[in-house]
Amino acid sequence: NAGVTQTPKFRVLKTGQSMTLLCAQDMNHEYMYWYRQDPGMGLRLIHYSVGEGTTAKGEVPDGYNVSRLKKQNFLLGLESAAPSQTSVYFCAIRTGFIYNSPLHFGNGTRLTVT
Amino acid sequence: AQSVTQLDSHVSVSEGTPVLLRCNYSSSYSPSLFWYVQHPNKGLQLLLKYTSAATLVKGINGFEAEFKKSETSFHLTKPSAHMSDAAEYFCVVLTGGGNKLTFGTGTQLKVEL
Repeated sequence: NAGVTQTPKFRVLKTGQSMTLLCAQDMNHEYMYWYRQDPGMGLRLIHYSVGEGTTAKGEVPDGYNVSRLKKQNFLLGLESAAPSQTSVYFCAIRTGFIYNSPLHFGNGTRLTVT
Repeated sequence: AQSVTQLDSHVSVSEGTPVLLRCNYSSSYSPSLFWYVQHPNKGLQLLLKYTSAATLVKGINGFEAEFKKSETSFHLTKPSAHMSDAAEYFCVVLTGGGNKLTFGTGTQLKVEL
């Protein structure tokens, strides 16, 4: 999935710890998204950004914060991790200017909270 | 409100036989519909999309899907399955301003020799 890089690929946290997931794109797109994927639930939108300096809540934003200080980077933060946040996290970018342009996904970050 | 239902959580086919993955949607507006594929430990990759042009949409790797408004369906098909098609497939509906993507719960496709 060239163009969208997520770091780290794997992480194990203890309950209450904090961490930041980084999504970096090299394609200069405006719209960036953070999703979480859980078995049997598809993907659910956490937060998204429509451009540098902007963020908005998605479907499941509680317990997460985001920042988009630079256009290329979209950060997802967990201030106090909980076991319910064990999931696979995907970053995505919208590949075009029109509203129904497809999304392009990173390879994911697998997070376990014990 | 919009929603998408993937009717089968698991589908198993033999190599060389046809594939049918079923998807039904509901939407108050004219939808855009997508199919994505996810191979193990990878992100989602776009297979094809419908955006109100031709109702029969051709995608990558020999997949195609037909938009049927009367049946509110967007089933994914392939004439002949290949071992490399084994993966999870997601049907996705988009309405409104472009940020309300709703994902189905996925269909795991198994391809046997």
